[in-house]
Amino acid sequence: KNEVEQSPQNLTAQEGEFITINCSYSVGISALHWLQQHPGGGIVSLFMLSSGKKKHGRLIATINIQEKHSSLHITASHPRDSAVYICAVRANRDDKIIFGKGTRLHILP
Amino acid sequence: GAVVSQHPSRVICKSGTSVKIECRSLDFQATTMFWYRQFPKQSLMLMATSNEGSKATYEQGVEKDKFLINHASLTLSTLTVTSAHPEDSSFYICSAGSGRAYGYTFGSGTRLTVV
Repeated sequence: KNEVEQSPQNLTAQEGEFITINCSYSVGISALHWLQQHPGGGIVSLFMLSSGKKKHGRLIATINIQEKHSSLHITASHPRDSAVYICAVRANRDDKIIFGKGTRLHILP
Repeated sequence: GAVVSQHPSRVICKSGTSVKIECRSLDFQATTMFWYRQFPKQSLMLMATSNEGSKATYEQGVEKDKFLINHASLTLSTLTVTSAHPEDSSFYICSAGSGRAYGYTFGSGTRLTVV
């Protein structure tokens, strides 16, 4: 079983829809990252969370440390949001980062 | 906020040549840097961890003589792919951290194509 699980693996939605991507992890962590990877491969760091909630524009990320779960929400989704979204955690045991397999999001105009 | 600059973003090289990828922390001192590799449609995988001034620690299955990592200063780490082969074609990304409390920042990645 992967230590970082994301769901769904693939998601197609219409422009304007509210999007939620989930991440569950099974190890003790000091931080959780949400990354966005565009088709060309370039990665953008969206959020780093250790507790609570962060908001940046139309993106909201939450984390529940007790439940070992994080969600990334996109409000008023747009075709330019189409990308792979990756959850990554920094493990307490060795300080290394463990990546989820990513969620491929496709927003239709 | 913390920024990590990774260059080049794309590189094409001939088989047998060496390629150097740079990862710089622009506004903080990176005591630890990680190097990752991602093959098509796969997750990012850790290759090695480097701490400033010491030898890198490589993950199992990663050839240290092929993937040379130098972390000579607190703001720069380099990954050199030596004698590159087509199977080394991949997406390489670094992340840098200045300590547990401050988290890690990711570079934007380098797409290497070996022809």
